[in-house]
This record gives sequence, C-alpha cells and structure tokens, in this order.
Amino acid sequence: ETGVTQTPRHLVMGMTNKKSLKCEQHLGHNAMYWYKQSAKKPLELMFVYSLEERVENNSVPSRFSPECPNSSHLFLHLHTLQPEDSALYLCASSHVTDTDTQYFGPGTRLTVL
Amino acid sequence: AQSVTQPDIHITVSEGASLELRCNYSYGATPYLFWYVQSPGQGLQLLLKYFSGDTLVQGIKGFEAEFKRSQSSFNLRKPSVHWSDAAEYFCAVGNGGGADGLTFGKGTHLIIQP
Repeated sequence: ETGVTQTPRHLVMGMTNKKSLKCEQHLGHNAMYWYKQSAKKPLELMFVYSLEERVENNSVPSRFSPECPNSSHLFLHLHTLQPEDSALYLCASSHVTDTDTQYFGPGTRLTVL
Repeated sequence: AQSVTQPDIHITVSEGASLELRCNYSYGATPYLFWYVQSPGQGLQLLLKYFSGDTLVQGIKGFEAEFKRSQSSFNLRKPSVHWSDAAEYFCAVGNGGGADGLTFGKGTHLIIQP
C-alpha cells in the first residue's frame, strides 16, 4: 500500500452504535489530521496530531474521539452520533516541518441513521 | 483569520477548451496557497502549491496557477481540458508552519462537455 489509506470506505451506523474509522499513512510523515467534508460546506479541520501528540481540537463534539497510537496510524472513534454527522471524513498526513503540504486519503463516507 | 473564496460553484467547459478557476484569499501575511482536486468517491489530490518565488506555479496534469498579491488571487488554469479533468477543485490557504490545518474554499465543480 502506498500513500494514505482509510478504512472502511463506507459506514452506516445507528445513533446508538460505537464505531471507529482507521487511517494509515505509508509516507513516513509525522503529523496527521482528520477533516470533515459535508455537502456545500468547506472542509472542516477536526483534529491535528503532531509527533503523536494532539495539538488541535477545533471545538469538535465529544462524541468524536481521536487516537494516534503511532505516527503511521490515526483513529476516529465514534459514539452516539447524530444524523447531521453524516459526511465524508478525510484523513491527511504531512511532515511536521511542512504542515501545509498535506496528502489525503480517499475518505470514509459515514451515514448516521 | 484566513479565508478562501471560490466564487464559482459550477463551471462547464467544452473538452479541448481552456479553463480558469478563480480563487481569492484573505490572509494577513504572505500566504501558502494550494489547489487540490477531488474526483468522485476519492480523497483530495494536491495539484500544485505556492510558497514563494515565481508567481506562476506549474503543477501536475498540465495545470498551472498564478499568484497575484494585488488581487489576493490564486487562479488555476489549464490550456486544454480533457474529459478526465471533470472533478471538484479546492483552493486552500495555509499559515506557513505550525501544527495547523489548511483553510479550504467550498470548491468548484468542473463539468466537461464533449
């Protein structure tokens, strides 16, 4: 595998479910990001991890919980989501020395029923 | 706070015709500017970026963009589009460092007519 991969690609969950999104980067990067992409809205930065430490949390509801166990892996744990959380969730990675040049995964299309 | 405006939600271009997608930004210092493309069902792919130096930047797939500080613009161009260029295009501005994300525009949907 090369680049940034995300699993699953599609996820349908009920409001009471607990699920996790996974992201893996094969680029030797050491910063990782979660973005939310909703229809007709710009990409919204959710979380930033730099050298496995969380450095940014843009007022994201606590029903979203990120985890970065090492520099290659990033998770987004989901619980008691709302229908308005349905969106495409994109993971990205970069070097900490060049955080503006980010490489994106294909995203997970999440539908909350 | 930095912001990006892409004034065109949709653009329709005939195959073989030239293309220009508009992007205006708001940023207090010298911006780091990017164009990304997103094909249906895919993530974002970096087309090109501007950090400093020559204001005309060459990217992949035959795209280029020109930074114009006086107009706060970073328009994307291609001399001759191909049907495979149909996609969503996003302009973004970065703050040049620090563990921070990019600020994206809402995107322009490019439609290619045969």
